[in-house]
Amino acid sequence: DSGVTQTPKHLITATGQRVTLRCSPRSGDLSVYWYQQSLDQGLQFLIQYYNGEERAKGNILERFSAQQFPDLHSELNLSSLELGDSALYFCASSTAGIPYNEQFFGPGTRLTVL
Amino acid sequence: AQSVTQPDIHITVSEGASLELRCNYSYGATPYLFWYVQSPGQGLQLLLKYFSGDTLVQGIKGFEAEFKRSQSSFNLRKPSVHWSDAAEYFCAVGDSGGGADGLTFGKGTHLIIQP
Repeated sequence: DSGVTQTPKHLITATGQRVTLRCSPRSGDLSVYWYQQSLDQGLQFLIQYYNGEERAKGNILERFSAQQFPDLHSELNLSSLELGDSALYFCASSTAGIPYNEQFFGPGTRLTVL
Repeated sequence: AQSVTQPDIHITVSEGASLELRCNYSYGATPYLFWYVQSPGQGLQLLLKYFSGDTLVQGIKGFEAEFKRSQSSFNLRKPSVHWSDAAEYFCAVGDSGGGADGLTFGKGTHLIIQP
């Protein structure tokens, strides 16, 4: 158990809908990262937040957005969903916003878009 | 932009045999390098990491990896695999230039252990 929690574990929805994925980082971790894992694209970095502020953006679509709240939990919002958004979404956390601090990964949320 | 190549999609090894998983990276400076393992239905767990210093790094579960700058490689090794090592293995590179980006992962190598 990494100490990072993600809810829900599974999510099934229809095209065009909007969903919110939630992540609680390890106690004391200020940085949260979101990744998408799909069969065709592999594991891709989406976005990073550090202590409530957006720190870095990766391959995140404009239909996707995220935020980190004062209690440091984070939410990833996916809207106008398409079939290709079906994937495993991971959240990771680290103690500071720099790569050489180990990132601890949550168990993921599996999103299925029908 | 940095990139990671794991040339082997699948590798099959007999239990007790040695293992080497290949990883090549592309990065302008000395990178931060990582190996993660993902068991079915699980998140990713860090096996080991390289930032600087000794080019042979030891990790958890008996794994080690060697950084070879001349070959832009960071191969993962284990002298004797166990059936519980069957999993997906990912090599990743982090930005050592002071940026705060997330990790760039390879496509992964699926390790199958034969009894």
